[in-house]
Amino acid sequence: AQSVAQPEDQVNVAEGNPLTVKCTYSVSGNPYLFWYVQYPNRGLQFLLKYITGDNLVKGSYGFEAEFNKSQTSFHLKKPSALVSDSALYFCAVRPPSGGSYIPTFGRGTSLIVHP
Amino acid sequence: DTEVTQTPKHLVMGMTNKKSLKCEQHMGHRAMYWYKQKAKKPPELMFVYSYEKLSINESVPSRFSPECPNSSLLNLHLHALQPEDSALYLCASSQLSTGQGDEQFFGPGTRLTVL
Repeated sequence: AQSVAQPEDQVNVAEGNPLTVKCTYSVSGNPYLFWYVQYPNRGLQFLLKYITGDNLVKGSYGFEAEFNKSQTSFHLKKPSALVSDSALYFCAVRPPSGGSYIPTFGRGTSLIVHP
Repeated sequence: DTEVTQTPKHLVMGMTNKKSLKCEQHMGHRAMYWYKQKAKKPPELMFVYSYEKLSINESVPSRFSPECPNSSLLNLHLHALQPEDSALYLCASSQLSTGQGDEQFFGPGTRLTVL
């Protein structure tokens, strides 16, 4: 069975400061990992994914995430936060090709960027 | 066109009404999904269609009835709903491509209120 943990319900950061939203996972084999963002009253929007290769993945809006196999983590990062980054962020995992293609979502982390 | 559209945006219905939610994508994706999402929670999978066939039904009550008329359209028929069914209903699609991660594209959702 696959699972995702987002240990923080909420992350607060000042505008211009770096941000990190944490995610750890459990899955058999090498995982496919995703980050999605959800703005109020909107659907989820894909930010980035890790499939294989370079552990540092770059995505939309200046976000990046680092895959760490030994720590089974896939933390989302951004060097300089914007107020407009305030949203709900979901990490998701699914087994690699050949397994179920249905992702398992974490519980979500609310990011609040203060002016 | 990289968009998933959903109609209506908002829906208020009584417990005896029959209504339908509609979803459309023109990205050639072969998997389409219905999710239910409560406020500040992760989306909960309801149904999955792959290649226009129902492949997953997550033990959803029969008052929810999915339909996939063709590869671009997905409907969710609603009948005799309960107030606890009030939620944001999200449609998503994905390509079902081997080895590419298969991220999901979400629509904006239908905000359903059951009185």
